Amino acid sequence: EVQLVESGGALVQPGGSLRLSCVASGFSITNYWMTWVRQAPGKGLEWVANIRQDGGETHFGDSVKDRFIVSRDNAKNSLYLQMYSLRAEDTAVYYCARDVKAVGANDYWGPGTLVTVSS
Amino acid sequence: QSALTQPASVSGSPGQSITISCTGTSNDVGGYNFVSWYQQHPGKAPKLMIYAVNNRPSGVSNRFSGSKSGNAASLTISGLQAEDEADYYCSSYTSRSTPQYVFGTGTKVTVL
Repeated sequence: EVQLVESGGALVQPGGSLRLSCVASGFSITNYWMTWVRQAPGKGLEWVANIRQDGGETHFGDSVKDRFIVSRDNAKNSLYLQMYSLRAEDTAVYYCARDVKAVGANDYWGPGTLVTVSS
Repeated sequence: QSALTQPASVSGSPGQSITISCTGTSNDVGGYNFVSWYQQHPGKAPKLMIYAVNNRPSGVSNRFSGSKSGNAASLTISGLQAEDEADYYCSSYTSRSTPQYVFGTGTKVTVL
């Protein structure tokens, strides 16, 4: 069974840093682009970033560009999101998701992890 | 990146059909066939319902269908059922700035 489980969400002060992890099971992430999506409380979905199978290509949403880094460890079947210079508006549930090959969609999602940025 | 435009809410009675629109530009919806739709129940992760404009993943009911015309995409739910009550989001690839994806503003579907 394909599963994704995020972890690392926490309460962090403005300006702080945090690293999220996503562990996959039931498939090998080696074969897939992977994506992070977030959702602020009571708000809609926001695309955050994605990363190519070998980690050699990444893309970011405008609101997180230059502050977030996405990486992966295929040997550990894991995806990461390193977040810097956190702001109150980064408060959200962060989901990792698997990309459907070549069609720009995400077929499996984790349950999400909550990041709260507040003093 | 600017979100795609969806109606805030759509409602219908059981058995009826409803359609949710998703309006973008030639840089996203109109320029690529990478439009997908997601269903999200409260407190749950999104679920993929339609990909590449009009394709259903395995296991998704054929009551859900997608289409696109110009810069707008649509999701139609036919034979509306109580369990269809949820939030729905469209998504598209966009070349507006750096290559990335953008979601719609979301539509709350209510089954009357």
